[in-house]
Amino acid sequence: SQQGEEDPQALSIQEGENATMNCSYKTSINNLQWYRQNSGRGLVHLILIRSNEREKHSGRLRVTLDTSKKSSSLLITASRAADTASYFCATDWSNYGQNFVFGPGTRLSVLP
Amino acid sequence: DVKVTQSSRYLVKRTGEKVFLECVQDMDHENMFWYRQDPGLGLRLIYFSYDVKMKEKGDIPEGYSVSREKKERFSLILESASTNQTSMYLCASSSSRDRGLGGYTFGSGTRLTVV
Repeated sequence: SQQGEEDPQALSIQEGENATMNCSYKTSINNLQWYRQNSGRGLVHLILIRSNEREKHSGRLRVTLDTSKKSSSLLITASRAADTASYFCATDWSNYGQNFVFGPGTRLSVLP
Repeated sequence: DVKVTQSSRYLVKRTGEKVFLECVQDMDHENMFWYRQDPGLGLRLIYFSYDVKMKEKGDIPEGYSVSREKKERFSLILESASTNQTSMYLCASSSSRDRGLGGYTFGSGTRLTVV
C-alpha cells in the first residue's frame, strides 16, 4: 500500500512550543502534501513539497522531505491554541492529482 | 468563498433507506472524490471520478454507488443504508491541469447516522 503513516498518533504540547509530526510512506512519490482538519470539518490543504525538494516553508510551517528514507516531517513553530487539530500527510504518485493517499493523521492538542 | 459544497452537514436515515449525498464544486475541477472517515481508520476512498460520467472504485466501494452527470456535481448513493455506514463522508475535488499540485479541496463533510 502507498499509504503514509503519521507519527505520533497524538501529541500534546504547551502554547509557544514547537510541534513536530512525521510521515512515512512506502513507494516513490511525485509530491507530498500536508492537510489540517479541525474537529468535525473538512480537510484544508496546508503545504506541498515536491519530490525534488528537501525543505519548504510557509509562515510558521516547515516541511522537510527525505526521499531516501521515504519520510517527511511537519514542524509548527510557536504553536497556538488555534493550531489544535488533526494533521494528515497525503502522498501523490500519479501525475494527475487523482491518487492521493492519506495517512491516519496526528491529533495535535495545544494547551493554553 | 465556498468552493466544494456538500448538501448536508448532518443527516439521520433509517436502515434500508436509499440515501443521496450531494457534492458540488465551482472550480471546474476534473477530479472528484468521496471518502469516509472513521476514528482510527483515517480517510478511506470510496469512489472517484476523473471526468463526467466516469467513475472508478476506490478502496471500499461495497454498498455505495456514484453518479457524475455534470462536471461540477458528484453524488454518492447508499443503495440500502446500514448501520455500519454511519460515518463522516467527505467530498473533495482536484485539478488534473495542475497535475495535483493544487492539492485537494474538501467540503465540510456530512455526518451520516443510520439508525
